Amino acid sequence: AQSVTQLDSHVSVSEGTPVLLRCNYSSSYSPSLFWYVQHPNKGLQLLLKYTSAATLVKGINGFEAEFKKSETSFHLTKPSAHMSDAAEYFCVVSYDKVIFGPGTSLSVIP
Amino acid sequence: ETGVTQSPTHLIKTRGQQVTLRCSSQSGHNTVSWYQQALGQGPQFIFQYYREEENGRGNFPPRFSGLQFPNYSSELNVNALELDDSALYLCASSLVGRFGYTFGSGTRLTVV
Repeated sequence: AQSVTQLDSHVSVSEGTPVLLRCNYSSSYSPSLFWYVQHPNKGLQLLLKYTSAATLVKGINGFEAEFKKSETSFHLTKPSAHMSDAAEYFCVVSYDKVIFGPGTSLSVIP
Repeated sequence: ETGVTQSPTHLIKTRGQQVTLRCSSQSGHNTVSWYQQALGQGPQFIFQYYREEENGRGNFPPRFSGLQFPNYSSELNVNALELDDSALYLCASSLVGRFGYTFGSGTRLTVV
């Protein structure tokens, strides 16, 4: 069975400091993994995707994620947070179904 | 790219009624999936269609049904609406699911 855990429901960082949003997954197969962002009253936007190629994946707006099979993790990072990064972030695993994590709300303090 | 468009954007229905939500896939995409996002929660997978056939389903009752048309547009039908069906319904399309989905902005359904 597939599942996704996002270890923090809320993360707060200061502008210009690093961002770390944690995600662990469970899948019987080699899944595809994604991070999506949802700004208030907006749709879901794909940040980046892992599809069994390079384990370090670069996405839009300076975000990166590293796939670690041994740890079943796919944590999202960014070296320096901007105010515009404040949003809800979802880790997603996909094989025969698409499973969203519960989401992490990121706040950026000026 | 045309993106994924959903209609209507907002809808109010009465408990027990039926509703149809519509989705136009992004140009070139042949797979469409539907999600329910309750307030403050992550999207929940309802089902997915590929070449007009359902090829994946989440934990939703049969009163949630769908269709995919030859032009890859899609409908989500919900019968016997319940208050708990109030949510944002999202449609997403892809060419190959493993490479990510493009989401529409959703339909906000309120059941009263």
